[in-house]
Amino acid sequence: DAKTTQPTSMDCAEGRAANLPCNHSTISGNEYVYWYRQIHSQGPQYIIHGLKNNETNEMASLIITEDRKSSTLILPHATLRDTAVYYCIVRVPLYVTSGSRLTFGEGTQLTVNP
Amino acid sequence: EAQVTQNPRYLITVTGKKLTVTCSQNMNHEYMSWYRQDPGLGLRQIYYSMNVEVTDKGDVPEGYKVSRKEKRNFPLILESPSPNQTSLYFCASSPMTGREGGYTFGSGTRLTVV
Repeated sequence: DAKTTQPTSMDCAEGRAANLPCNHSTISGNEYVYWYRQIHSQGPQYIIHGLKNNETNEMASLIITEDRKSSTLILPHATLRDTAVYYCIVRVPLYVTSGSRLTFGEGTQLTVNP
Repeated sequence: EAQVTQNPRYLITVTGKKLTVTCSQNMNHEYMSWYRQDPGLGLRQIYYSMNVEVTDKGDVPEGYKVSRKEKRNFPLILESPSPNQTSLYFCASSPMTGREGGYTFGSGTRLTVV
């Protein structure tokens, strides 16, 4: 699986958009970009994933650059409950190769301030 | 409600006393996995299973056993726990066919071995 690089920490004001960047310059053609978050010692929570098109769901939007070497997770209106560690993971889906592993890096600690 | 249930949430035990942490999912997922999380080391995969009676080692399998006799259950067994297995453990499940939406994680089991 491709390696990802994320900032160690970020701050965001409550009610503003939080934009979390991720670099994955060695991504290969069949690898997807996944985002998870972990709120203090709780189980990680899946947020969103995509291949090359931008994606949006009820939680967030995912913007992937045209060359797919980087992406941005956008939380449109951050709340205090969005304070968490956010993980960007690049991997091949399980239905493509069963040996694909979900490997968590260090992630970005997002702190939403009142 | 679709979920992964782990038990117990907290466990303190003594060195050498066999224990089992249970994991059950109600989503008919083929894939299940165990992770441990330690400060500074992130989430590391212990074992995974792609279906009933199919299991394989992850990154840190030493000192652990698993079994997958039924699709919904994937217990983690520590035959002779040691203090270095003190950790926060997470079970996760995922479908392996169709459009994979991401892993669903349990709430975690905090294990202390004294």
